[in-house]
Amino acid sequence: NAGVTQTPKFQVLKTGQSMTLQCAQDMNHNSMYWYRQDPGMGLRLIYYSASEGTTDKGEVPNGYNVSRLNKREFSLRLESAAPSQTSVYFCASSEAAGALRYEQYFGPGTRLTVT
Amino acid sequence: RKEVEQDPGPFNVPEGATVAFNCTYSNSASQSFFWYRQDCRKEPKLLMSVYSSGNEDGRFTAQLNRASQYISLLIRDSKLSDSATYLCVVNKNSGAGSYQLTFGKGTKLSVIP
Repeated sequence: NAGVTQTPKFQVLKTGQSMTLQCAQDMNHNSMYWYRQDPGMGLRLIYYSASEGTTDKGEVPNGYNVSRLNKREFSLRLESAAPSQTSVYFCASSEAAGALRYEQYFGPGTRLTVT
Repeated sequence: RKEVEQDPGPFNVPEGATVAFNCTYSNSASQSFFWYRQDCRKEPKLLMSVYSSGNEDGRFTAQLNRASQYISLLIRDSKLSDSATYLCVVNKNSGAGSYQLTFGKGTKLSVIP
């Protein structure tokens, strides 16, 4: 039982390049999330998927797109990377959006640097 | 008021000390409350949920005051391994039956030998 896995762990991009961050969970959770964490800012929600087939914007969606490929996988795409997107990206999942328990389980993160 | 606000810290305490973290939240409709712990350069991990009646897990005690919209975490007999950043987390209803979590910025704790 791996929980939430993310790839890659580290990435350096040049301004304007694109890339996709991958996330998968094996806990049969319905809901998945992408966050970014910057020093002094705390975790901020980029996009989330309450259930398979749905995605919604979070607090900071500009510059990102997501795909909920199936129940297990939720990817985050940067179409044209900018230095402001340098951050640590965390994927998370939770049991069910409408359940009483909302605790989220996080992947190990992707450290992205855009030069 | 910010959605979730925590003591800015950092807290530097000796081993064996008792330390308390405070948190306030702005959304009175929030239903679920948590404390997460985040070690340096690691992902956040759930430490404990916070229930209305208060709850305890070993050396950790969490309290919730809905009237004041206030959450606390008490750590007794601090260990070196308790050194981490503690995140106060509150859910919010984002419509259509879906819920998001709002994270505080965290309070860093360093337990000193």
